[in-house]
Amino acid sequence: NAGVTQTPKFRILKIGQSMTLQCTQDMNHNYMYWYRQDPGMGLKLIYYSVGAGITDKGEVPNGYNVSRSTTEDFPLRLELAAPSQTSVYFCASSLAGSRSYEQYFGPGTRLTVT
Amino acid sequence: DQQVKQNSPSLSVQEGRISILNCDYTNSMFDYFLWYKKYPAEGPTFLISISSIKDKNEDGRFTVFLNKSAKHLSLHIVPSQPGDSAVYFCAASANFGNEKLTFGTGTRLTIIP
Repeated sequence: NAGVTQTPKFRILKIGQSMTLQCTQDMNHNYMYWYRQDPGMGLKLIYYSVGAGITDKGEVPNGYNVSRSTTEDFPLRLELAAPSQTSVYFCASSLAGSRSYEQYFGPGTRLTVT
Repeated sequence: DQQVKQNSPSLSVQEGRISILNCDYTNSMFDYFLWYKKYPAEGPTFLISISSIKDKNEDGRFTVFLNKSAKHLSLHIVPSQPGDSAVYFCAASANFGNEKLTFGTGTRLTIIP
């Protein structure tokens, strides 16, 4: 099991460019999440999904979009990148109904917007 | 509105001594609490958790204590080892069926050899 994988590891974007952060999990988890972590801050939830075809906004969704066409993949789209989106992005997944609330995280994507 | 607070950004502890990391929360709907550990350039990894029906959970060197009346939890690591140097995040969840976690801002623990 590779667990949760994220690509790319690093990316530099110019203001106004767009990109997609990829996230794949091979644990057959129903729930998937996208977080961002700014320096000295905790993880803030951007979007989450409770299953294929179902997504919902988290705490900081503005400037982002997601889709969930398969159980395994949960890409995060940045449209019109802004310097405020400079952050480290983490994807996570968890098993629905486990009541353990344990989320498994990917290694992160470090994004710089200049 | 920070619903989960870790008021100590950093903590240094001598190797072999006890490390105590603290976390406070404001949302009384939270019923499950977790601690995550994060090394640089890696994603957070789950460490230990506790349900609101308990006041203590132990796993090896790690023990989490929950004081519901004070809305406070703490993580005890004993004895502390150099490999414990990392950032520790407290997280909480309310049972709304989506298992979303709310994270604190983290405490950087440094174990001094």
